[in-house]
Amino acid sequence: RKEVEQDPGPFNVPEGATVAFNCTYSNSASQSFFWYRQDCRKEPKLLMSVYSSGNEDGRFTAQLNRASQYISLLIRDSKLSDSATYLCVVNENSGGSNYKLTFGKGTLLTVNP
Amino acid sequence: GAVVSQHPSRVICKSGTSVKIECRSLDFQATTMFWYRQFPKQSLMLMATSNEGSKATYEQGVEKDKFLINHASLTLSTLTVTSAHPEDSSFYICSARRTAYEQYFGPGTRLTVT
Repeated sequence: RKEVEQDPGPFNVPEGATVAFNCTYSNSASQSFFWYRQDCRKEPKLLMSVYSSGNEDGRFTAQLNRASQYISLLIRDSKLSDSATYLCVVNENSGGSNYKLTFGKGTLLTVNP
Repeated sequence: GAVVSQHPSRVICKSGTSVKIECRSLDFQATTMFWYRQFPKQSLMLMATSNEGSKATYEQGVEKDKFLINHASLTLSTLTVTSAHPEDSSFYICSARRTAYEQYFGPGTRLTVT
C-alpha cells in the first residue's frame, strides 16, 4: 500500500469551476500535512498547510480527518493559473527529532478557458 | 520565503562520468537537507537525508556509494552521482529544513546521461 495516495487524475475543468482533490495516508502517526503545487519541470512549492480544524486561504480550502487519515483540497472559482500538479504531502517522524516529507504522486489539474 | 538554490540547473553528461550538484540555503542555516529524485510523471522520492557534520542517511534502495552526499557547512550540501548511467537521468531536487515543520525546495537539477 502506498504511503500517500491521491486521486490519479488528470482533472480538466473550465474556468470558474470548483474542483476537489482527495488524499489518504497510511501512517497514523503522521504529524503534519500539506498541499504543494508543482508546475511543469519546476520544484514543488508550498500551497498551504492542513490543520485539523480545516483552514481556508482565499479560494483554497483544506480539510483533515485524522480518524479516516484523509486530506482534501477544494479550489473554488478556478483560474487558468491554477493549472498545475497538486501534491499531497505528509510529514512523518523518522526517528528522534527527525522528520521527513512523503509525497503523493500528484494530481494534474488543467483549467481551460 | 526562504531561498534555496541549486547548481547546475541542467546538466548533460556522458555515461560513466560523475556529476556534482550543489544545494545552498541562502538566507538561513540548515542542519538538515534532503535530496529527492523525480522521474517523469512520478512523485518525488526521498533519496537521502543530509546532516551537517555527519554521514547522510540513505533511503532503502539508494546506493550510498553511487550517490555521494557531503554536507560540509550549514548552508551547503552536495550530491555527486558517480559513474552516471542513462537510468540515472532524472530531476534531482534538494530541500533545506528551516524548522521541524518547514522545508524549502531548490529549483531542481535536470540530469541527462547520454
